[in-house]
Amino acid sequence: SQTIHQWPATLVQPVGSPLSLECTVEGTSNPNLYWYRQAAGRGLQLLFYSVGIGQISSEVPQNLSASRPQDRQFILSSKKLLLSDSGFYLCAWSGGERRAFFGQGTRLTVV
Amino acid sequence: GQNIDQPTEMTATEGAIVQINCTYQTSGFNGLFWYQQHAGEAPTFLSYNVLDGLEEKGRFSSFLSRSKGYSYLLLKELQMKDSASYLCAVRVMDTGRRALTFGSGTRLQVQP
Repeated sequence: SQTIHQWPATLVQPVGSPLSLECTVEGTSNPNLYWYRQAAGRGLQLLFYSVGIGQISSEVPQNLSASRPQDRQFILSSKKLLLSDSGFYLCAWSGGERRAFFGQGTRLTVV
Repeated sequence: GQNIDQPTEMTATEGAIVQINCTYQTSGFNGLFWYQQHAGEAPTFLSYNVLDGLEEKGRFSSFLSRSKGYSYLLLKELQMKDSASYLCAVRVMDTGRRALTFGSGTRLQVQP
């Protein structure tokens, strides 16, 4: 069966510090991978998606970047965090089924 | 782009039935999803509709009318554990993207 791992679960970082969130998927090959962000009490905003290794598409301009160095690994990064980067970050994957499967999420607080 | 609307909050009583509506405006519609999200947790899949009509799965049912751009999620025999946010999401027919676009979610509070 397929599983998705995302870490860390919570993170507190100072303004201006770098960020690296990692997501890995097991039990499937060539998945579509996604990073979403959810502000408090809001819906999910798509940040990045990837249909293959090295292929990244950005949905909105922002202070973040994404990379896919391996088929089942998706990384969200920032060189210098802003206060506005605080939120709940969710990695997700989809394959032959049309629905998306989500990781446990990372609660990021920038202070 | 896509526009998805759903009520912000709803309150219902344990044991009752509640209907959460979702309207959407999009081109290239390719399916509508409902997810449940408890506070601080990841969304979990509830239902999927791509054709008009009702899909039933236990206490949960979802309805779709593509001509009206309308869906609802029906929860029967409400339990306290059903208190959560319910997210409506639309998929469009984009060969590359395949991502879901989410509404802001409806926060349901089930009261005793």
